[in-house]
Amino acid sequence: ETGVTQTPRHLVMGMTNKKSLKCEQHLGHNAMYWYKQSAKKPLELMFVYNFKEQTENNSVPSRFSPECPNSSHLFLHLHTLQPEDSALYLCASSQEGNRGRETQYFGPGTRLLVL
Amino acid sequence: QKEVEQNSGPLSVPEGAIASLNCTYSDRGSQSFFWYRQYSGKSPELIMSIYSNGDKEDGRFTAQLNKASQYVSLLIRDSQPSDSATYLCAVNMESNFGNEKLTFGTGTRLTIIP
Repeated sequence: ETGVTQTPRHLVMGMTNKKSLKCEQHLGHNAMYWYKQSAKKPLELMFVYNFKEQTENNSVPSRFSPECPNSSHLFLHLHTLQPEDSALYLCASSQEGNRGRETQYFGPGTRLLVL
Repeated sequence: QKEVEQNSGPLSVPEGAIASLNCTYSDRGSQSFFWYRQYSGKSPELIMSIYSNGDKEDGRFTAQLNKASQYVSLLIRDSQPSDSATYLCAVNMESNFGNEKLTFGTGTRLTIIP
């Protein structure tokens, strides 16, 4: 148990559905991340929030909408997804401020299937 | 494009032998390097971090870094079946936004044969 929780753990949705993924970290960290992990591809960084401010958006389609209401919670709102969006979505957190030496701790992930 | 390269494997190693996992990276300015282990169906967990050239040992694991060659490796001594997993190399690189961000390799799948 790393102190980062994600819900739901599994999600099946149609292309017209709207759903949200939730992440919560209990480590007192100030940065949170969303990653996408597809088969045979590297982990892809999607969004970074630092002190609740979004600092990275790596050309992610607008059908993915992040929300960070406070430094402990992170959401990923999903709407009109495509089948190729099926993947494992991982949340991570870290304590920023150590010149790039911060360790990221990952949650268990949400396995998403888009039909 | 800043990249991290790993041999995807699978790499098969007999139990008790040394497993050697390799990683190269493209950003010469990178200063922080991490190895994560990911069991099938689970999330990545940190095994080692290394910041200086040379070797860093932690139990059965040794990370080796050579910044001149842009190369980082992970050695696992006395390999156990429980070491069977995918090992992800991650390197801190400057992003397009001027921040530091972790860039991951595709991972090497390691199988320890009893």
